[in-house]
Amino acid sequence: GAVVSQHPSWVICKSGTSVKIECRSLDFQATTMFWYRQFPKQSLMLMATSNEGSKATYEQGVEKDKFLINHASLTLSTLTVTSAHPEDSSFYICSARSMGASTDTQYFGPGTRLTVL
Amino acid sequence: LAKTTQPISMDSYEGQEVNITCSHNNIATNDYITWYQQFPSQGPRFIIQGYKTKVTNEVASLFIPADRKSSTLSLPRVSLSDTAVYYCLVGGSMNRDDKIIFGKGTRLHILP
Repeated sequence: GAVVSQHPSWVICKSGTSVKIECRSLDFQATTMFWYRQFPKQSLMLMATSNEGSKATYEQGVEKDKFLINHASLTLSTLTVTSAHPEDSSFYICSARSMGASTDTQYFGPGTRLTVL
Repeated sequence: LAKTTQPISMDSYEGQEVNITCSHNNIATNDYITWYQQFPSQGPRFIIQGYKTKVTNEVASLFIPADRKSSTLSLPRVSLSDTAVYYCLVGGSMNRDDKIIFGKGTRLHILP
């Protein structure tokens, strides 16, 4: 099956600093990637849709200046949490869309645990 | 976007067959049905995807009635390691702008 990686798997940072998370599709090209956030015991919440070569589309309530998304190639999207605060601590998960003959399927990365002190 | 409804939680025993049903009354003609499994602190893992009737792979079976307003994920002979949250998702049409919104999922607990 298709493989999506994320780096780092976990990160601890001080309040006010910025953190970059990478999402890579390892064995397929993905024109579209998605970023989700998940709090304990809750479902995944879509943050933004990242399209290669164009600006990301953010969901309502997600600050685009705080969560910077770059999708510079067909296999890499990055999420930068700027000026992180403790309330940004969460589990961040990316997915990449694999285009099939008749439909497409999203494959998910293993997630990145962000803890802001 | 089609909304999905699943049971919040289910319990079963090792060796049993588990069926999890998902309702998606507003499914669109082009939508596919996809099921994911998620363990704590991991990303969702693709289980199975289908459009109509029955689909089977090495892990599970997916049953979809003719009206496609519901679907049932069938896990044969579950083990303790199948304890996870299972999400039913609808979408995946070849629409560049299509996105998948997660519902609450079903928390499956397998007992020894």
